[in-house]
Order: sequence, then C-alpha cells, then structure tokens
Amino acid sequence: AQKVTQAQTEISVVEKEDVTLDCVYETRDTTYYLFWYKQPPSGELVFLIRRNSFDEQNEISGRYSWNFQKSTSSFNFTITASQVVDSAVYFCALTLFKYNFNKFYFGSGTKLNVKP
Amino acid sequence: EAQVTQNPRYLITVTGKKLTVTCSQNMNHEYMSWYRQDPGLGLRQIYYSMNVEVTDKGDVPEGYKVSRKEKRNFPLILESPSPNQTSLYFCASSTSEGPNQPQHFGDGTRLSIL
Repeated sequence: AQKVTQAQTEISVVEKEDVTLDCVYETRDTTYYLFWYKQPPSGELVFLIRRNSFDEQNEISGRYSWNFQKSTSSFNFTITASQVVDSAVYFCALTLFKYNFNKFYFGSGTKLNVKP
Repeated sequence: EAQVTQNPRYLITVTGKKLTVTCSQNMNHEYMSWYRQDPGLGLRQIYYSMNVEVTDKGDVPEGYKVSRKEKRNFPLILESPSPNQTSLYFCASSTSEGPNQPQHFGDGTRLSIL
C-alpha cells in the first residue's frame, strides 16, 4: 500500500529561524513522483516542487531547499530564515507509475506558524 | 487569466438533497481531479479524469459521482449527501503531459451537510 506520513502536525518558529518539514513515504514501486504543496491561510493550494524517483539531487530555490533520500524514503523540506509569509499548511504527496501517475496520495499536512 | 473555478464556494444543505459542485478550467488541461480535505487526514482523492469521457476512482469515491462530457468541466455530484461528506473540496487540473505535472487548484468549496 502507498502512504505518505507527515509526522509533524504543527510547528512554531520565530522569524529568521530555519525549519525542516519531514515527509516519509511508503511504496514498493520504483517509479514515482514526490511533491510539495503549500496552503496559505487564504486556502488555495500552491505547487512548490516535484521530484521523480530517479533524481535524488537536492534542490534549492531561494530560501527553500529539498532533500530527497531514497535510502530513508524521505523527501524533507527546509525553509531557511523563515518569514511570517511562510506560515501555511504544507503537504507532501506521492504519485505512482503503476497508476500512470493519476492517483495522488497526500500526507496529512504540517501547519507551520512563523511568529514575528 | 489561467484558473480553475469552483462553484459554489460555500454551501449548507440537508441530508439527501442532491447537489452538484461545478469545476471549470480555462487552460485546456486534459487531466482533472477532485479532492476532499479533512482535518488530520490531509487531501484525499475522490475521482480523476484523464480526458473527456475517461474517469476513474481515487481513494474515497463512495457517495460521489463525476462526469466529463466536456474538456473544461468536471462536476462533482453528491446524489444523496450525508453528514460525513461535510468537508472542504478542491478541484484541480494539469496538462496532457500527465498529472505528475503541477496541478492547478481551485479555491475550494466548503460543504456542510446537516
């Protein structure tokens, strides 16, 4: 069975702190995609990144970075020097080749509170 | 402006009264999908559609129907709504390269079934 676990329900940090959001996934498939989405308080869902299972390179985009490790089935997300605007719920998700990547499996989300 | 439009945004209704939530996208996307979001459970996929007249079940399809008669529209139908379908619903779409492409989400529809 496929599963995405975001064990951190809620995290609170003070502005300018670094914070890492954990994502652990389970699948026996060897071909899959992983995603991160952001849901700010306004409610819309915003795509942040996708990574396929054959690309374990870490990625950095401004203050955001992602660490993909197949050995530990993890796809963690780090925000450096957090800002109040980063306050949101963040979701990790998985799609599988065997379903033609049509089925999405989302984690339960991590709510990040960044205090000024 | 590229967007996914859901209507209504909010609805309070009663058990058993059929309702339809509409979803329309203006990006000529092949792939569309419906999700529900519940506290502690994240988003769960209800149905998805790879193209016109092609739909399939997601993780939680029970109690829902969909149709894809036109490329731009993907309505979600609750034939006989029950209180356990009270939730926040999102429609999403993505390009023909596949849903592994970034999905564009609507703003959500909050349904309350009394």
